[in-house]
Amino acid sequence: DQQVKQNSPSLSVQEGRISILNCDYTNSMFDYFLWYKKYPAEGPTFLISISSIKDKNEDGRFTVFLNKSAKHLSLHIVPSQPGDSAVYFCAASGGGSEKLVFGKGMKLTVNP
Amino acid sequence: NAGVTQTPKFRILKIGQSMTLQCTQDMNHNYMYWYRQDPGMGLKLIYYSVGAGITDKGEVPNGYNVSRSTTEDFPLRLELAAPSQTSVYFCASSYILGGNEQYFGPGTRLTVT
Repeated sequence: DQQVKQNSPSLSVQEGRISILNCDYTNSMFDYFLWYKKYPAEGPTFLISISSIKDKNEDGRFTVFLNKSAKHLSLHIVPSQPGDSAVYFCAASGGGSEKLVFGKGMKLTVNP
Repeated sequence: NAGVTQTPKFRILKIGQSMTLQCTQDMNHNYMYWYRQDPGMGLKLIYYSVGAGITDKGEVPNGYNVSRSTTEDFPLRLELAAPSQTSVYFCASSYILGGNEQYFGPGTRLTVT
């Protein structure tokens, strides 16, 4: 039973364009959401997070949007750069649980 | 400040062998975690610890054991290795439990044949 779903395994965009990565969740108790970025042969690194009391959080080129009614969040990267090419994981926690639940990840390729 | 370090980087085990994956963090984080990542899958929590002397099971604890004798170290023990334990193992730590960002080590790639 996947509680955090990243339904598209990959995305390819041109440098300078917008990248939109989507994530859906099923557990209504989740109240904190995170995005991680992972390069090959490295551990995941924290990118950006959002609490359920907000619907948007921005950090430089990265913006996360949260739609609680749809149980959906998205990560926007503008403008996309070749160095953004990586696997991106969506994760969630909440409901008194101390554990993070991760999606399967999405591979983003930004072409020069 | 090295963050989270893991050793070894790679290991090949024969079925039935045992080994310990080492994890150390120098950020004085109370919370530490062990995950495994299978190909094409997300990270699944094996065990976690909220402080020295306190550990608890995650989603996939079978076949593993942990201990937490110090704040810095959180070793993961595999007893009687099986091919199903072939995976990449990540250790992580965080200052605030669960909801805050976790800092990951570089991973240990384990193959059991």
